[in-house]
Amino acid sequence: EAGVAQSPRYKIIEKRQSVAFWCNPISGHATLYWYQQILGQGPKLLIQFQNNGVVDDSQLPKDRFSAERLKGVDSTLKIQPAKLEDSAVYLCASKKTGGYGNTIYFGEGSWLTVV
Amino acid sequence: QQQVKQSPQSLIVQKGGISIINCAYENTAFDYFPWYQQFPGKGPALLIAIRPDVSEKKEGRFTISFNKSAKQFSLHIMDSQPGDSATYFCAASVGDTGRRALTFGSGTRLQVQP
Repeated sequence: EAGVAQSPRYKIIEKRQSVAFWCNPISGHATLYWYQQILGQGPKLLIQFQNNGVVDDSQLPKDRFSAERLKGVDSTLKIQPAKLEDSAVYLCASKKTGGYGNTIYFGEGSWLTVV
Repeated sequence: QQQVKQSPQSLIVQKGGISIINCAYENTAFDYFPWYQQFPGKGPALLIAIRPDVSEKKEGRFTISFNKSAKQFSLHIMDSQPGDSATYFCAASVGDTGRRALTFGSGTRLQVQP
């Protein structure tokens, strides 16, 4: 079974520029998450989708971050304009629906450096 | 409160020793407590998980101890090996099936010396 795929793996941009990250979850997984992991910290939830609907985006800085999940499969996370403090690893994760013990699987992440 | 507090921040253990990482939570509604292991350059991967209706769960060299009254849980790695060197995150979750997401601790960087 293929894992969660993310691209690009690495991106360096200047502040105020824009960037987009793509995620393809594990086939059949209805729930998709975007987490932000700043160096030396635990992952922090940015947004959660159930199929193509947003379940929780309470921690998403909506003035600069946006995310969508068209057709309930792939997802894109966009940052515009980027700030220095957005330098982090952006982790996409997915989970089957049903059962609170279902494992959440993470991708390898997209590393963003804002200079 | 959604916070999960984790300690220590870093840990050095000799090969064959026991590694112990502790976490505490505030939200008594949390009902699922996994531990994730993360190697450099990789995403976190589920190691072991426990539900609050049991006090201990063991899988191989990894054991979770859970104290519901103290709102604490810990990960014990027996016979620690250099290959266990990684960052470990405790986490907790609550919510309906479709709304469940993980709240992570700050992580513990484990180094097992040969």
